[in-house]
Amino acid sequence: GQQVMQIPQYQHVQEGEDFTTYCNSSTTLSNIQWYKQRPGGHPVFLIQLVKSGEVKKQKRLTFQFGEAKKNSSLHITATQTTDVGTYFCAGGSSNTGKLIFGQGTTLQVKP
Amino acid sequence: DAGVIQSPRHEVTEMGQEVTLRCKPISGHDYLFWYRQTMMRGLELLIYFNNNVPIDDSGMPEDRFSAKMPNASFSTLKIQPSEPRDSAVYFCASRGPYYGYTFGSGTRLTVV
Repeated sequence: GQQVMQIPQYQHVQEGEDFTTYCNSSTTLSNIQWYKQRPGGHPVFLIQLVKSGEVKKQKRLTFQFGEAKKNSSLHITATQTTDVGTYFCAGGSSNTGKLIFGQGTTLQVKP
Repeated sequence: DAGVIQSPRHEVTEMGQEVTLRCKPISGHDYLFWYRQTMMRGLELLIYFNNNVPIDDSGMPEDRFSAKMPNASFSTLKIQPSEPRDSAVYFCASRGPYYGYTFGSGTRLTVV
């Protein structure tokens, strides 16, 4: 079945450093979504990418969708302690309403 | 909008007991999903409904698990009998006409 892999599993950075997490799907996706889960919290929707090669920005966060629509990345510029949490990518299929989540990347930021 | 509401927030039960988790989706959302989250397996999709109809239950681990959605504003996930390996955080999420799931706060289940 469809699988979504995410790397790295963990990342520790110094505040102010950049951070990137990568997501790869075993199949072509109709869309990819990104979520953030704070420690002890629930996943919160950040963004959806639909078009091949699409790039979207939210303040210090930059999201990319690969040309083949099988991979994606999230880049955070100049991390802050408020960025701490687990970032999940989730791949969507055009013929179902469901998402398959990656394992997530847990980001720790040292002040 | 109160968001997706799950109850209880925490549940501790003994092995062999029946457990029922409840979810109220956002009004107007036509998709409802049940996920289970553990450190080992991450976020696993258990089952999802569209317009109250179960569409895909291939993620339900065993016959001990069952889910219902009797109307658009309520869903339950039942485990009978419960086992220690069922201990996890169970999330309900709903989705409307626009993209993006809204997750509830989850139910942390501990089976001892």
